[in-house]
Amino acid sequence: QSVLTQPPSASGTPGQRVTMSCSGSNSNIGSNIVNWYQQLPGTAPKLLMYSDDQRPSGVPDRFSGSRSGTSASLAISGLQSEDEADYHCAAWDDSLDAWVFGGGTKLTVL
Amino acid sequence: QVQLIQSGAEVKKPGASVKVSCKTSGYTYIGYYIQWVRQAPGQGLEWMGWINPDRGATDSAQKFQGRVNMSWDTSSRVAYMEMSRLQSDDTAVYYCASSYSSSTADYFDPWGQGTLVTVSS
Repeated sequence: QSVLTQPPSASGTPGQRVTMSCSGSNSNIGSNIVNWYQQLPGTAPKLLMYSDDQRPSGVPDRFSGSRSGTSASLAISGLQSEDEADYHCAAWDDSLDAWVFGGGTKLTVL
Repeated sequence: QVQLIQSGAEVKKPGASVKVSCKTSGYTYIGYYIQWVRQAPGQGLEWMGWINPDRGATDSAQKFQGRVNMSWDTSSRVAYMEMSRLQSDDTAVYYCASSYSSSTADYFDPWGQGTLVTVSS
């Protein structure tokens, strides 16, 4: 079982806005920044968002992130077919002394 | 740019060991860290630990302490992750990834392509 909790699936139609959540506790999301990784089918994860809401170079501004309390969220606006992927959240856990991840949310573009 | 190229798939029997390599290139700074993360079939990501090539220091998640050894070959700039006493639930894709530091405010970027390790009798 993953330390961070993500809904297993999400879906939307092209052009829609989709939001996915990542829930943790005081020892991880409540105390530390959250990163998001996008994993396209059959490929390695790729950094999508870091320090809660910072986009690496090359990531479209359709993607946005936020963190509040012990939860974080990733939003995708103007959904496109190439956004179909698994999305993983991650944070450091002060109690476990380890990076912890969510189980991932599989995004389907209908 | 930084690139991480991993070794090929492995099939091992229970109780055996496996050594996965991660060849690095493109760094323009020293002091970076190589992280190791695994992903069991259909599951989420699991952090295993890191090695700092510059100092040779390592740290690992408690779950893997005593069973995982991370090392670095300076001449070839290759990081290694060796896991012993393999069991079926160690079947996973093993990734290496780069980070600037061991800071809890850091991130993993880029990632290697992954190495599938299958443990089966």
